[in-house]
Amino acid sequence: DTEVTQTPKHLVMGMTNKKSLKCEQHMGHRAMYWYKQKAKKPPELMFVYSYEKLSINESVPSRFSPECPNSSLLNLHLHALQPEDSALYLCASSLPGGYQPQHFGDGTRLSIL
Amino acid sequence: KQEVTQIPAALSVPEGENLVLNCSFTDSAIYNLQWFRQDPGKGLTSLLLIQSSQREQTSGRLNASLDKSSGRSTLYIAASQPGDSATYLCAVPGNMLTFGGGTRLMVKP
Repeated sequence: DTEVTQTPKHLVMGMTNKKSLKCEQHMGHRAMYWYKQKAKKPPELMFVYSYEKLSINESVPSRFSPECPNSSLLNLHLHALQPEDSALYLCASSLPGGYQPQHFGDGTRLSIL
Repeated sequence: KQEVTQIPAALSVPEGENLVLNCSFTDSAIYNLQWFRQDPGKGLTSLLLIQSSQREQTSGRLNASLDKSSGRSTLYIAASQPGDSATYLCAVPGNMLTFGGGTRLMVKP
């Protein structure tokens, strides 16, 4: 069983909808990450939170809005997405510092109609 | 900028074969290297983590080696099984985790 829990597992939404992806970990990790993964490609980093503060934003469009309300939770708010945003969204966590091993959740499969 | 490459991109073998997956990286000043497994539509499962001071790590039928000076790591899978079919990714940490393109493995019964 994964120690990083993502909900929902699947999400289908229209381009005008607003939805949120959630990620939770209870390993005491203070760094949390969002990745986007397209089919047959490796994960691409979107955002990094360190001690609940956004430390890296990899030039992600503003229709993706991350939030880290506390040290265990990470949200990704979605609004006005495009069909090309359909992908597997992965959350990961680690001890703080750029060289710590990351633990991944099972992901949310997002489909934009 | 660190670049990570995995060869081959895809591999199909009969059950029972021993096999080697390759990972190369351009900047040898690494702190560690992770090998992950990914089943279709699923997240990444960490298989092995090799620290820069180590040369090998073993877990069951898996053995990962690291040669920093040549910028290479290999993942050896002994006596492959159909359940080993998955995509295997290597990754090197830095400012961000840099992934290779992955090797898609199919083990046929």
